[in-house]
Amino acid sequence: KAGVTQTPRYLIKTRGQQVTLSCSPISGHRSVSWYQQTPGQGLQFLFEYFSETQRNKGNFPGRFSGRQFSNSRSEMNVSTLELGDSALYLCASNQDGNTEAFFGQGTRLTVV
Amino acid sequence: GENVEQHPSTLSVQEGDSAVIKCTYSDSASNYFPWYKQELGKRPQLIIDIRSNVGEKKDQRIAVTLNKTAKHFSLHITETQPEDSAVYFCAASSDHAGTYKYIFGTGTRLKVLA
Repeated sequence: KAGVTQTPRYLIKTRGQQVTLSCSPISGHRSVSWYQQTPGQGLQFLFEYFSETQRNKGNFPGRFSGRQFSNSRSEMNVSTLELGDSALYLCASNQDGNTEAFFGQGTRLTVV
Repeated sequence: GENVEQHPSTLSVQEGDSAVIKCTYSDSASNYFPWYKQELGKRPQLIIDIRSNVGEKKDQRIAVTLNKTAKHFSLHITETQPEDSAVYFCAASSDHAGTYKYIFGTGTRLKVLA
């Protein structure tokens, strides 16, 4: 089985731009969660999607949004980028009824 | 709000010694506690987990203990090896209502000195 796949692996954007990141979960996994990882802050929960619906949301501003498609693939969007948005963005997928989360390699976003 | 504190932030041990990382959680509804290992440039990978109905779990050189009353859980690595060097994250989760939101600690950078 293929693991969780995130694209692109690296991105460089300018302040004020927007960006879209993609995550393909493990086949059969319907839950996709997104996390922001920064040095010193660890991994912070952004949101979780299940069957195309946002099931949970962390404490991030409205500039951070996401969606999930019928094939369980998920995208997250960050609008009006700020320097502080530079981070590794990780997504994770879960199988129904299984609390073990499987992580992707992440997308490293650099805002300049 | 929900919070997980993790200590220490860095830990250096000699090869063959033991390493202990401690975490404290705030949400009393938490019932699942995974530990992830993240090597440089790689994705976090689950190394061991424990549920709230169990006090201790062991897998070869790795063990996790949970004290629900004190809301503490700890990772123990014995006979450390250079390949154990990585960043370790604890997390707490409540699977009530089926959501898989994890609250992570800020990580511990473990260095095993040969």
